[in-house]
Amino acid sequence: KQEVTQIPAALSVPEGENLVLNCSFTDSAIYNLQWFRQDPGKGLTSLLLIQSSQREQTSGRLNASLDKSSGRSTLYIAASQPGDSATYLCASSNDYKLSFGAGTTVTVRA
Amino acid sequence: GAGVSQSPSNKVTEKGKDVELRCDPISGHTALYWYRQSLGQGLEFLIYFQGNSAPDKSGLPSDRFSAERTGGSVSTLTIQRTQQEDSAVYLCASSLSAGLRANVLTFGAGSRLTVL
Repeated sequence: KQEVTQIPAALSVPEGENLVLNCSFTDSAIYNLQWFRQDPGKGLTSLLLIQSSQREQTSGRLNASLDKSSGRSTLYIAASQPGDSATYLCASSNDYKLSFGAGTTVTVRA
Repeated sequence: GAGVSQSPSNKVTEKGKDVELRCDPISGHTALYWYRQSLGQGLEFLIYFQGNSAPDKSGLPSDRFSAERTGGSVSTLTIQRTQQEDSAVYLCASSLSAGLRANVLTFGAGSRLTVL
């Protein structure tokens, strides 16, 4: 069974700092790795999807890397803003099923 | 519709009552998924549908839980004789097809269930 772990569980930074969120998974036989954002009382929004054959994906200030052999993915958010405050979830997929980490709750202080 | 719709958004019920949670996926999406998010925990897979069939029900916690999908569209998750440990947010998602190699899931806002 795939186990996905996210460290740290919570993070508080001043505006402008870069954020580094870590995700590890136990089974490297994944199709892809996704990063989601969850705002309180709302569903999940997909941020980045990295295919198993890829090493990284970028979207604006967001960059996600994937190292399948070591079972790790990292989400970088550059120049954080208060609007980046949310819970970030990573999930590995195998065919139709996503295995989620418990998330990292980020607070960006103005 | 434009997104995945779930109802009710909030449900408070007494222990022992039955509840039904509804999911209306994006039009044309053949795959539909139910996940559960308990406080402080990651999302837990419950069941997925391809069309009206449920190839994998392995995540349903007990026989009190059941789900169906009709017309390849709306899905209902039913919890019978609710228990306090059923309290959670139930999230529905849909995708164009079942394989997740390249398909991104679109999630609904969830149904928050509180069992007193």
